[in-house]
Amino acid sequence: DTAVSQTPKYLVTQMGNDKSIKCEQNLGHDTMYWYKQDSKKFLKIMFSYNNKELIINETVPNRFSPKSPDKAHLNLHINSLELGDSAVYFCASSQDRGGRAPPDTQYFGPGTRLTVL
Amino acid sequence: QKEVEQNSGPLSVPEGAIASLNCTYSDRGSQSFFWYRQYSGKSPELIMSIYSNGDKEDGRFTAQLNKASQYVSLLIRDSQPSDSATYLCAPYTSGTYKYIFGTGTRLKVLA
Repeated sequence: DTAVSQTPKYLVTQMGNDKSIKCEQNLGHDTMYWYKQDSKKFLKIMFSYNNKELIINETVPNRFSPKSPDKAHLNLHINSLELGDSAVYFCASSQDRGGRAPPDTQYFGPGTRLTVL
Repeated sequence: QKEVEQNSGPLSVPEGAIASLNCTYSDRGSQSFFWYRQYSGKSPELIMSIYSNGDKEDGRFTAQLNKASQYVSLLIRDSQPSDSATYLCAPYTSGTYKYIFGTGTRLKVLA
């Protein structure tokens, strides 16, 4: 059983298109994340949701819109795709412990490689 | 100054040697520290976590933390070619829900 799954694994599309990436976790975690890893392998956080509420929204163009229909799912919709959006997008999840204890391990999905032509 | 700094490498060590990976961080409020390993084309996976000053050992891996110096390191003893990967350091500050990743150090273990 895959703990954190993402679809699709690969996404090749033209500039200007709109696309979505889906993420699901079956670990019962309450916090989910989207990261972008560029060609230099730098892993940068984009968004985080805790109990379906947006808690982290880094400096990301508003063409990117996350949606969390429930605690187990966090989707990422991207409008008007640009060349610079080409990267690997990772979903992750963890269980927060309310600041009284170290956080649980963060588990990553397999990644979605997005190529914008 | 970057929030988390790591030498990008590659760090090349012969098989059987000790590999030493270093990480410095700028947020003094960071309380938990995680080391992830990422093979090429794969997702990061947790190697070790450390929360208190000092050393923590797990098999061939030892994490070392010095909060006063804002420094955390990972030692890999008896390095194997299968340890060749990029190692990412990620401090975490409670209440922020945010793991801040370094740029990673690429390790190459030569057979």
